[in-house]
Amino acid sequence: DAKTTQPTSMDCAEGRAANLPCNHSTISGNEYVYWYRQIHSQGPQYIIHGLKNNETNEMASLIITEDRKSSTLILPHATLRDTAVYYCIVRVPGYSTLTFGKGTMLLVSP
Amino acid sequence: GAVVSQHPSWVICKSGTSVKIECRSLDFQATTMFWYRQFPKQSLMLMATSNEGSKATYEQGVEKDKFLINHASLTLSTLTVTSAHPEDSSFYICSPYRVDTGELFFGEGSRLTVL
Repeated sequence: DAKTTQPTSMDCAEGRAANLPCNHSTISGNEYVYWYRQIHSQGPQYIIHGLKNNETNEMASLIITEDRKSSTLILPHATLRDTAVYYCIVRVPGYSTLTFGKGTMLLVSP
Repeated sequence: GAVVSQHPSWVICKSGTSVKIECRSLDFQATTMFWYRQFPKQSLMLMATSNEGSKATYEQGVEKDKFLINHASLTLSTLTVTSAHPEDSSFYICSPYRVDTGELFFGEGSRLTVL
């Protein structure tokens, strides 16, 4: 898996949008961008993934730059329960594991 | 949605004893199971990969005789920490691969504390 770079931590006020950036400048053409999060003492939770088009689901939106070298995960209205470590991972779908980096610790405050 | 059951959620044991962690895919078949561990304030690290009916493949630095993995069926995999020591205290997480959809799932994790 290509490496990703994320800020160590971010803060967000409850109710505001949380924008989490990720750099993946060495991503290859067949690799997707995946986002997972891990709430304290729980297993990772899938959020969203995409190849080159922007994606949206009930949890979040994923914006991928045209050159695919970076992306942003957007939580439109952050809640206290969104406090977690967010991992950006690039991966070829299918039979392959996920390589977790250090992720971004998002703290949502009242 | 697909459900993964990992059990026990937490366990405390004495040094030298063995502990078994189970991971079940409740509504899908997992041909491959990945096992991770996570030390405090660190990220998840892959320990081993097992395919149903085959021997597991271990990552460098993970002792295969200490961490026994059984993947005898498509819905159940177990990780046994043998002769556990305090340095084995960690958060262990299973990740079954669903072949029909290509999705990866995660269990809720098992926190092992060895006294």
